[in-house]
Amino acid sequence: AQSVTQPDIHITVSEGASLELRCNYSYGATPYLFWYVQSPGQGLQLLLKYFSGDTLVQGIKGFEAEFKRSQSSFNLRKPSVHWSDAAEYFCAVGGGYNKLIFGAGTRLAVHP
Amino acid sequence: EPEVTQTPSHQVTQMGQEVILRCVPISNHLYFYWYRQILGQKVEFLVSFYNNEISEKSEIFDDQFSVERPDGSNFTLKIRSTKLEDSAMYFCASSEPTSSGANVLTFGAGSRLTVL
Repeated sequence: AQSVTQPDIHITVSEGASLELRCNYSYGATPYLFWYVQSPGQGLQLLLKYFSGDTLVQGIKGFEAEFKRSQSSFNLRKPSVHWSDAAEYFCAVGGGYNKLIFGAGTRLAVHP
Repeated sequence: EPEVTQTPSHQVTQMGQEVILRCVPISNHLYFYWYRQILGQKVEFLVSFYNNEISEKSEIFDDQFSVERPDGSNFTLKIRSTKLEDSAMYFCASSEPTSSGANVLTFGAGSRLTVL
């Protein structure tokens, strides 16, 4: 079955600290992987995506993610978190023009 | 930057009423989607639409739901007789073909539906 698991429902970090949000997926074919961010009351904004090639991908706002096929993971990282990064982060998997399957999301809080 | 626009941003309706949520996808996109997010829960796929027909739908998308592309720009989601459990944020998305064959969705800001 196709699924995405984000093990951490809620994470709190201090401003300036590093961040890693976990994502594991189950997908029968070659996956296309995405991270979206949702600020309160807002829509979903694409942070980054992985299709093929280099397994470390760079996104907007200083985020990066690493695809590890052996672990079926696509974790999101940022070396230094800013207060404006507080939001909900969704990992998603899809293939071709099929639907995206989203994880349950991780809510990030940032302490000053 | 091109964007997907959705109207209304918030609609309150009585149970049993019909609701139409409207979306204007990005103009050169060919694939259209509706997702919903019940408060505090994950984003769920409802339906995808391509070449003027539904290409895939989820089990949530029952006979109470329908989609239409009435003209060259709008993409609508209709709920015929709303239920309390239809209260959610509804997101429209569109995508264009990429050279890799992958699907990159651009989402609208959402329409919040409250059913009383």
